[in-house]
Amino acid sequence: GDSVTQMEGPVTLSEEAFLTINCTYTATGYPSLFWYVQYPGEGLQLLLKATKADDKGSNKGFEATYRKETTSFHLEKGSVQVSDSAVYFCALFNFGNEKLTFGTGTRLTIIP
Amino acid sequence: GAVVSQHPSRVICKSGTSVKIECRSLDFQATTMFWYRQFPKKSLMLMATSNEGSKATYEQGVEKDKFLINHASLTLSTLTVTSAHPEDSSFYICSAIAGANNEQFFGPGTRLTVL
Repeated sequence: GDSVTQMEGPVTLSEEAFLTINCTYTATGYPSLFWYVQYPGEGLQLLLKATKADDKGSNKGFEATYRKETTSFHLEKGSVQVSDSAVYFCALFNFGNEKLTFGTGTRLTIIP
Repeated sequence: GAVVSQHPSRVICKSGTSVKIECRSLDFQATTMFWYRQFPKKSLMLMATSNEGSKATYEQGVEKDKFLINHASLTLSTLTVTSAHPEDSSFYICSAIAGANNEQFFGPGTRLTVL
């Protein structure tokens, strides 16, 4: 079946540091890939997405590129802020079974 | 974006009692809602797909008689955990589909603790 593996947290960085959260996936067909973010006390929000190979999703300074050859969708940001502290979930949507499959989530804490 | 609410946000109950969790789409109508369960340090696991006006579709391994789902209106789906036991303690999250891209919008979750 489908699966998503993302780096375990927690991750703690200083403000303005470079961020990478790794995500790899296993799926049949050609899934769409997503990063969701969950701020404290709130629901999951879509951060960015990519629907086909080599697509780059970007939002709020975050980027991720759909790499089919390495089945990866790593999340990056060049300079993180305290407000980026949240839990980040990588996910895929399989059009065959129409289901979202999530990774375990990575808790990110940015310290001033 | 579309807003989904859940109520309650936290609930503590005694073993053997039933607990109802509500999921509401606040500014849109949702014919399809989803219920997920999240264990500590685990990913969200889809429990069931809730369709307005029809029976829910449960994922393999999810007991439909234990987790009752009712989607009686286009803005409300409820999940009732019947005869709850400590192993049912978890974080339950709902989502609803909205928009032309069929994007899922998530509620803030409900933490259930069964004593």
